[in-house]
Amino acid sequence: AQSVAQPEDQVNVAEGNPLTVKCTYSVSGNPYLFWYVQYPNRGLQFLLKYITGDNLVKGSYGFEAEFNKSQTSFHLKKPSALVSDSALYFCAVRDKGNTGGFKTIFGAGTRLFVKA
Amino acid sequence: DGGITQSPKYLFRKEGQNVTLSCEQNLNHDAMYWYRQDPGQGLRLIYYSQIVNDFQKGDIAEGYSVSREKKESFPLTVTSAQKNPTAFYLCASSEREFNTEAFFGQGTRLTVV
Repeated sequence: AQSVAQPEDQVNVAEGNPLTVKCTYSVSGNPYLFWYVQYPNRGLQFLLKYITGDNLVKGSYGFEAEFNKSQTSFHLKKPSALVSDSALYFCAVRDKGNTGGFKTIFGAGTRLFVKA
Repeated sequence: DGGITQSPKYLFRKEGQNVTLSCEQNLNHDAMYWYRQDPGQGLRLIYYSQIVNDFQKGDIAEGYSVSREKKESFPLTVTSAQKNPTAFYLCASSEREFNTEAFFGQGTRLTVV
């Protein structure tokens, strides 16, 4: 089965500094990887995905992610953090269901705090 | 506007009661999902459905039931057999293809009183 791991429960960064939220994956076959963001008491919002092609994927709100096959990583990045980026971030991978269909498997989440 | 609507936003359940959480989507998606979110544990899959009148158990299906009688609706019932139902419940939908992202509702916070 596919899985993702987010090794950091929390990341702290100052506003204006670059941020990185880490994700590693374990898959058989080609990985289909995603990043989502969750604001307090809200549902998740899709940020970006890697399916195939360029290893650097650009997404919403200035975020990007770098797919690294040799390190089995898919880290989320942003060149200059904003206070409004403070939220809970989830890495995810698509997987095949045991009895058909597809499902999305999520990491435990990383809480990002951006300090003004 | 297209999207997913979950209701109610807050729900209180007494011990021994069954409660049903509503999830409706107008995105014309075939696939729908229910997740449970607990602090520090991320999202865990309860049930998912790829097509009308069909659904599969996820990782934590015990104590829950679902139905998929219409494409746009995927209600979740939390039964009295679920021993620890207090959590934040999220419904999502997506296209059926493998490379598609999910769209989420705003969630229902269920509390046992």
